[in-house]
Amino acid sequence: NAGVTQTPKFQVLKTGQSMTLQCAQDMNHEYMSWYRQDPGMGLRLIHYSVGAGITDQGEVPNGYNVSRSTTEDFPLRLLSAAPSQTSVYFCASGRGDEQFFGPGTRLTVL
Amino acid sequence: GENVEQHPSTLSVQEGDSAVIKCTYSDSASNYFPWYKQELGKRPQLIIDIRSNVGEKKDQRIAVTLNKTAKHFSLHITETQPEDSAVYFCAASTTKKTSYDKVIFGPGTSLSVIP
Repeated sequence: NAGVTQTPKFQVLKTGQSMTLQCAQDMNHEYMSWYRQDPGMGLRLIHYSVGAGITDQGEVPNGYNVSRSTTEDFPLRLLSAAPSQTSVYFCASGRGDEQFFGPGTRLTVL
Repeated sequence: GENVEQHPSTLSVQEGDSAVIKCTYSDSASNYFPWYKQELGKRPQLIIDIRSNVGEKKDQRIAVTLNKTAKHFSLHITETQPEDSAVYFCAASTTKKTSYDKVIFGPGTSLSVIP
């Protein structure tokens, strides 16, 4: 079991560029989510999914898109990167109780 | 929507002393309250959780209490050790047997245990 995997681990973007952060899990979890972590702000929910084909917005969804075509994958798309999106991004999966987090992606937008 | 507040933001204790972190939540429908520990440079990991039908839960040196009426829940760490130094996050969500809801986290508490 690889658990929750995220790629890339590090990424530097220029303002206006787009990219996709990848997240995959092999635990057959229905629930998946994306958080961003900024100093002093904790883990803020961006988007989440309760199953394949179902997504919903979290606390800070603006500037991000998600899709859930399979149970295993939950990619996060940055449409037009802005410096305010510089952060550490965590993907997580679970089955209604414990969430298992991926290792994180550190994103810098210049 | 749900809002979770957490205090204090930083906490320093002497090794062997107890540490208490308190959280409040706003949505009375929330029924699941986990606590996560995040060591420096690592991912958050669940350390203990409590459901709304229980008032207290213990696991060795850690315990969590819940007051549904006041919408408060707290993490208690006894006999603290240097390896307890980390950031601790509380969270709240509404979970059901056949469906799940979003999990909202508090802003975190940075705990330092001084040897």
